[in-house]
Formats: sequence, structure tokens, C-alpha cells
Amino acid sequence: SQTIHQWPATLVQPVGSPLSLECTVEGTSNPNLYWYRQAAGRGLQLLFYSVGIGQISSEVPQNLSASRPQDRQFILSSKKLLLSDSGFYLCAWRRKGLAGEKGFGPGTRLTVL
Amino acid sequence: KNEVEQSPQNLTAQEGEFITINCSYSVGISALHWLQQHPGGGIVSLFMLSSGKKKHGRLIATINIQEKHSSLHITASHPRDSAVYICAGDQGVQGAQKLVFGQGTRLTINP
Repeated sequence: SQTIHQWPATLVQPVGSPLSLECTVEGTSNPNLYWYRQAAGRGLQLLFYSVGIGQISSEVPQNLSASRPQDRQFILSSKKLLLSDSGFYLCAWRRKGLAGEKGFGPGTRLTVL
Repeated sequence: KNEVEQSPQNLTAQEGEFITINCSYSVGISALHWLQQHPGGGIVSLFMLSSGKKKHGRLIATINIQEKHSSLHITASHPRDSAVYICAGDQGVQGAQKLVFGQGTRLTINP
């Protein structure tokens, strides 16, 4: 069965500091990978998705970037965090194909002070 | 206008009541997902629907493609059903689908 790991679970960072959130998937190969953000009281918003190694699509202009250095590894980064980057960050995977079996990570709660 | 809209935003009911959460979606959504988010933030996938109806335990999901509308029903609701229920639509080409999320419905079941 598939497992998705995300760390850290919680993070408190000062404004202007860098960020690196990591997500890894086990039990599947060549998945689509996604980063979502949920601001307080809001719905989930797609930030980035990747259909393969080194392939990143950005959905919204922002202070963040993503990379996929390996098939089952997806990293969300920032060089300088803003207060507005606070939120709940969720990594997700999805199998390519019509049925699209999918899963969600446990999430990272980021607070920027 | 959001591509996926849910109602109600908040729902409080007594244990045992029949619960209905509604979702409307726009053109370009090829399949509909119902997800459950617990207080800690973790998300569990409940259903994926492109037609008809699916049932799992006390949960039933239906979709009407012509009306672009889906509903999630919970029979004999229980306090452990309290969570945020999210409707999400598949958008994009096969192999590169993206989920477009509704705002979520916060369900509270009181004992």
C-alpha cells in the first residue's frame, strides 16, 4: 500500500527566514505530486504540481518554489518567508490514469512570526 | 465564482440525524471527490464519483452530471462524524489532473 510522509508536522519561523518542507511517497512509482496550502478559515489551494522528475507547474504566483529531485520526493521551498505564507501545507500524490488512486500527507502547520 | 461550491458552510446536528451536504460544480470538472478533514488537518479520501451513486457504510455519495451537482449523505450520524467535509473536482487532462476544492462544510454532531 502507498504511504506519504511529510515533515515537519509543525514549524514556527521568523519573517525573512528560509523554508524547506519535504514530502516522500512510498509504494508507488511515477506518481503525480501536489503541494496545497490552506490558509486559516479558507479552502485548499493548489500551489504546485509535478507529473515527473524535474517537472514543476506553478498554479499561483508567490514567494514559494517547488522541486522534484527524485521520483517520489517533492520539496517546497522559500528563500524568505512572509507573514502571508502562514498556513497548513499539504502534500498529495495521485496515480496517473483514469481511476487516479490518491492520498494525502499529514500536513505541515507553518506559522510565520 | 468558484468552480466548486459547497453548502452549507457549517452544519450542526444531533446524533442520529440524517445529514446532507451539497456541492455544485462548473463545466470542465470531469469527476467529483468527497474528502474528510479531521481537526488535526489530515485528509481522508471518501469517494470519487463520475456518475451515479456510491455507498460506504453510513456514507452515501450521489452525482447528477446533467445538473452538475453532488451530495454527500450520512445516515444515523454520530459525534465521530464531526469533521470538515470537502468536495473537490478533477480538472485538466488525464494523467495531469488537478483537484479544485470547495470551501468545505464543517459538520458538528452533538451527542
